Order: sequence, then C-alpha cells, then structure tokens
Amino acid sequence: EAGVTQFPSHSVIEKGQTVTLRCDPISGHDNLYWYRRVMGKEIKFLLHFVKESKQDESGMPNNRFLAERTGGTYSTLKVQPAELEDSGVYFCASSPLPAGRWPETQYFGPGTRLLVL
Amino acid sequence: GEDVEQSLFLSVREGDSSVINCTYTDSSSTYLYWYKQEPGAGLQLLTYIFSNMDMKQDQRLTVLLNKKDKHLSLRIADTQTGDSAIYFCAESSPDNFNKFYFGSGTKLNVKP
Repeated sequence: EAGVTQFPSHSVIEKGQTVTLRCDPISGHDNLYWYRRVMGKEIKFLLHFVKESKQDESGMPNNRFLAERTGGTYSTLKVQPAELEDSGVYFCASSPLPAGRWPETQYFGPGTRLLVL
Repeated sequence: GEDVEQSLFLSVREGDSSVINCTYTDSSSTYLYWYKQEPGAGLQLLTYIFSNMDMKQDQRLTVLLNKKDKHLSLRIADTQTGDSAIYFCAESSPDNFNKFYFGSGTKLNVKP
C-alpha cells in the first residue's frame, strides 16, 4: 500500500511568488491534515479535511494560505504571495475515518521543504 | 493553545538506554503519542499511551506518564545506531481528537 506522498520535495521561491504544494493521502483515508514546522521548532497544525470539507482550519496563519481538497482525494496548499516567514517544512498526514476507534493514527508524508528568499 | 516542550538534543552510546522527556500543558488530553522522524522521511508513529495509564511497554520502548506533573517520557532500551532520529511528542486536542499538538522534537544521536 502506498503511503502519503507529497510534491514537490523541495521548493525555493522568491518573496512575493506563489507556490502550490500537493499531498496525496493513503487511498481510502477520509481525514487529511496539513502541518508546518518552521525553523526547527514545533510542528504546528494548520488544518484538517474530512473528505472535501474543512473540518478545522484554526491553524491557518493568514489569508495568504489556501487549502483545497478536490473530490475528497488529493489536497493542495497554496501560498500567495509567499513571505520569508513561510519558510519551513510542510507535512501532510492522513487517517481513516475513526468511526469511534481510537487512538487516532495519522500517517505522515515526507514533507515539502519550502524556502522563501 | 497547548504547549508541548522537549529538550532539543540527546546523545548516547550504542547499547545504553535513552530517555527522551516531554512536558505538556493540557491535562484533559486523551492520548499522548511518540513519533519518530528519520532523515528524509515523514513522521512514523512509534507508540501512544492513553491518559488513564501510567506506563506502557512495547519491546524496547517504555512510555511513562505522570499526569500530575504533565510529564511524558520515552525510554529506549539497548539503543542502536538505527534509533538515531528526531523524536516528537504529541498530544491530541481535547476539543478535536484529530488535532495534534507537537513538541519541537528531540534529536537523538547514537554513537557507536
């Protein structure tokens, strides 16, 4: 079974440009999450999709970040325009719908390393 | 929001035990987790503990939970060079079990 994949693995862009990150979750996983790790600090939650709906987007930093999940499959995270402080590693994770079964096991992708110059 | 703290680095010799510590702030967390990140890879779930437990053992891994002090630790027995990685502690939000709060990660270096 393929794991969570993310594209690109690395991206270097200039301040003011636009970048779109993609995440393909494990097939059949309804839950999809985006996280970010900035400057070697803690990994911070950005948002959570259940299928195509945004369940919780409380961690999105500002309106320069736009996440979508077309048809409840893959997801994109667009940063427009990018700022220096957006540099970091963006992780995607997925999990099956819990249906009352805990603990929640989130499967992580390798991350996209974004550098804004 | 919740605060999860870890020390940044730990260095041990192969064969020794490693103890990675974590403190958290939300006493109503239901589950606490340990994830491992190897170079170039995503985070891999190592183990978890339910908040009404004090200890959980899984082969070389022992998790200790002190709810009173909000302290979580991961002990790796007979540490091997393959255990070198970054270890993240995480707690689930009491309001949304799917929302995790992670620490900054502890980089474990195992010397041969």
